Amino acid sequence: NAGVTQTPKFRVLKTGQSMTLLCAQDMNHEYMYWYRQDPGMGLRLIHYSVGEGTTAKGEVPDGYNVSRLKKQNFLLGLESAAPSQTSVYFCASRSPGRGGPLHFGNGTRLTVT
Amino acid sequence: AQSVTQPDIHITVSEGASLELRCNYSYGATPYLFWYVQSPGQGLQLLLKYFSGDTLVQGIKGFEAEFKRSQSSFNLRKPSVHWSDAAEYFCAVGGLVTGGGNKLTFGTGTQLKVEL
Repeated sequence: NAGVTQTPKFRVLKTGQSMTLLCAQDMNHEYMYWYRQDPGMGLRLIHYSVGEGTTAKGEVPDGYNVSRLKKQNFLLGLESAAPSQTSVYFCASRSPGRGGPLHFGNGTRLTVT
Repeated sequence: AQSVTQPDIHITVSEGASLELRCNYSYGATPYLFWYVQSPGQGLQLLLKYFSGDTLVQGIKGFEAEFKRSQSSFNLRKPSVHWSDAAEYFCAVGGLVTGGGNKLTFGTGTQLKVEL
């Protein structure tokens, strides 16, 4: 049971380059989330989706775009990377029902030079 | 707006000693509360959760947490810490808000070091 899989695991970009982070889940969850983790700041929500074809902004959405064309996949795009986007990015999906917990991938470490 | 405060950035305990990690939350209704653990280079793993019922909840790896509504707290405890418990611990709050996407808000984490 793979759970939540993120690709790539590591990436180095130059300022202004673009890239897409892929998140795939095999648990048939409706809700999916993208967080970034920075030292001393915990996890901050970038964007989320409550189902196929839907997306919504989180706490820190600027500079990112997302798409949820298929239920199992949630893509995070950086159109023009900036050094401030150097971070570890985590994708998560949520179990259904009251108090359903989040299930996390292992993260993507992105460095923008 | 919902928020979580973890006042301790770093905690060091000796192996075998007891542990308590503090978490205070702000939420406008009955919250769902979670504790997650993160080992280096890994994603977050759920330790335990609370959303109703008994205010003392048991989790994996011998952890427990107590929900105290009057204090807006959800502190994590373990009677005897093992060296393998060294990791970063995150408290999170969320709830069932219509149209809110059931988002979780995380604290800034507490890094636990275990001395042998």
